[in-house]
Amino acid sequence: DTGVSQDPRHKITKRGQNVTFRCDPISEHNRLYWYRQTLGQGPEFLTYFQNEAQLEKSRLLSDRFSAERPKGSFSTLEIQRTEQGDSAMYLCASTGLAGDTGELFFGEGSRLTVL
Amino acid sequence: AQTVTQSQPEMSVQEAETVTLSCTYDTSESDYYLFWYKQPPSRQMILVIRQEAYKQQNATENRFSVNFQKAAKSFSLKISDSQLGDAAMYFCAYRRASSNFGNEKLTFGTGTRLTIIP
Repeated sequence: DTGVSQDPRHKITKRGQNVTFRCDPISEHNRLYWYRQTLGQGPEFLTYFQNEAQLEKSRLLSDRFSAERPKGSFSTLEIQRTEQGDSAMYLCASTGLAGDTGELFFGEGSRLTVL
Repeated sequence: AQTVTQSQPEMSVQEAETVTLSCTYDTSESDYYLFWYKQPPSRQMILVIRQEAYKQQNATENRFSVNFQKAAKSFSLKISDSQLGDAAMYFCAYRRASSNFGNEKLTFGTGTRLTIIP
């Protein structure tokens, strides 16, 4: 499977715990995005990487959130001291330079439930 | 800031019939892309169709076509010969075009849940 993969698919945690999600983009893609999707809503942009550089962060990304892409390949999204409001689907997407069609390729998402 | 509005939270259509999903957007840009993405239950979001704003011709992909009205900032999706596999959430999305390969994130609408009636 050469698509975008995310792990874990589901995570249930207690309020105050830390969680980390991993995203493996399509191998030749140098741009990687994280989005958050709550029930009944469209995805909202969180952050963007071009290679290993984090070039943009949304105001939605509080200081409890941190994302990395250390070698320009996989990325991690960590949420510290989780709150119930963090419960959502976290989507990763990637795209490449070739043609710049604008299309993002999405993973299946990591669903977080904070109790 | 760009906004995307989908005013139909839910739609239903009889199998084999045609349905149109609505989308409007707001932008001050002249060059941009518009997309319809499909998100089946518990599956990843996939691209259905895209439209470049500079193209006057409406995009088509098999049973899927769009009605792009740039002046009205309207971008509707028509699904012909609806099939059971078309049942999903459909999201309209906007992306500003860029002259360099910088971040041009997608801005999504709130989605329309499409149900296909057998």
